[in-house]
Amino acid sequence: DAKTTQPPSMDCAEGRAANLPCNHSTISGNEYVYWYRQIHSQGPQYIIHGLKNNETNEMASLIITEDRKSSTLILPHATLRDTAVYYCIAAYNFNKFYFGSGTKLNVKP
Amino acid sequence: DVKVTQSSRYLVKRTGEKVFLECVQDMDHENMFWYRQDPGLGLRLIYFSYDVKMKEKGDIPEGYSVSREKKERFSLILESASTNQTSMYLCASSSDPNNSPLHFGNGTRLTVT
Repeated sequence: DAKTTQPPSMDCAEGRAANLPCNHSTISGNEYVYWYRQIHSQGPQYIIHGLKNNETNEMASLIITEDRKSSTLILPHATLRDTAVYYCIAAYNFNKFYFGSGTKLNVKP
Repeated sequence: DVKVTQSSRYLVKRTGEKVFLECVQDMDHENMFWYRQDPGLGLRLIYFSYDVKMKEKGDIPEGYSVSREKKERFSLILESASTNQTSMYLCASSSDPNNSPLHFGNGTRLTVT
């Protein structure tokens, strides 16, 4: 499974869009890109996933580049409750579902 | 919404005790998983199950066993707890082992003294 690279931390002002980048340059054709977040002492929460096309749900949007080597998770209007560690994962199956260090998003008032 | 429920949020056990961690999901998912999460090591897969009474070893099965007698329930067993099994344990389920998201419980923080 492809490894992913994310910045260790990012800041975002409350009410503004948070754009979290992820690099997955070794992703293979059948691997999906998943995004999760984890608030301290809780289990990871699923946010969104996609293969090639951009995706949107009630929580976020996922933009995947045409070559699939990178993606961006967009939280359109960040709130203080969005402060969490965000994980980007590229995987085909969960036998090798690798959570790296993620990005610590700090949403500030 | 999928709900994955782990029976305990915090557990303290003594070395050598047999420990049972229980997990129940309410979405009729075929696939269930047990991970442990440790600082700097990310999530590591202990065991998973694709069906009732079926189990497969993950990356770190040593010292653990599992039981899946009913579709909704997946139990992790520490046969003889040791201090190096102090960790956050996470249960997850999914409708498909490929291409569908994992849904996690809130975790059990186990301390072995």
